[in-house]
Amino acid sequence: NAGVTQTPKFRVLKTGQSMTLLCAQDMNHEYMYWYRQDPGMGLRLIHYSVGEGTTAKGEVPDGYNVSRLKKQNFLLGLESAAPSQTSVYFCASKPFSRDRYYEQYFGPGTRLTVT
Amino acid sequence: AQSVTQLDSQVPVFEEAPVELRCNYSSSVSVYLFWYVQYPNQGLQLLLKYLSGSTLVKGINGFEAEFNKSQTSFHLRKPSVHISDTAEYFCAVSDKAGGFKTIFGAGTRLFVKA
Repeated sequence: NAGVTQTPKFRVLKTGQSMTLLCAQDMNHEYMYWYRQDPGMGLRLIHYSVGEGTTAKGEVPDGYNVSRLKKQNFLLGLESAAPSQTSVYFCASKPFSRDRYYEQYFGPGTRLTVT
Repeated sequence: AQSVTQLDSQVPVFEEAPVELRCNYSSSVSVYLFWYVQYPNQGLQLLLKYLSGSTLVKGINGFEAEFNKSQTSFHLRKPSVHISDTAEYFCAVSDKAGGFKTIFGAGTRLFVKA
């Protein structure tokens, strides 16, 4: 079990460039999340998905788009990168159960710098 | 709406000393509570969680936390820290009704000195 993996680990973009971050999980989890982590601000939810083919906005969605075409993958896109999007991005996943509550499982993160 | 406040942004402590990392939350509904740890250049790992039952929760690496409903707190404690406990610690809350979203605190950086 690889758990939650993220690609790439590091990336430097110029302002206005686009890119896609890939999150993959092999645990058959229904829920998936994208967060950004900035110093002193903890983790802020960008977008999330409660199942294949569904996505929803989180706390800070502006400038990002997501897609979940397959249950195991959750893609985060930046169409026109801005310096304010310099951050560490974490993906997480969580199973659904009616009987008990599960915590989120996190990937190792992607460090993105926009110059 | 829920919120989480971690009262200390940084906590320096000497090795083998006790430590308490403070967390307060606000919510209009019943909640689940978590502490996650993030070691340098890594993702978050679950340290412990409170779902129901005993208000004293034990986690990995000798950490424990106590849920205090009247004070809406969930402070993390360890009686004797090691250098290897140096990390950032996040308190988090998830409401029992919604369930699939978690709100994280800003984090507390624990720095253990020799």
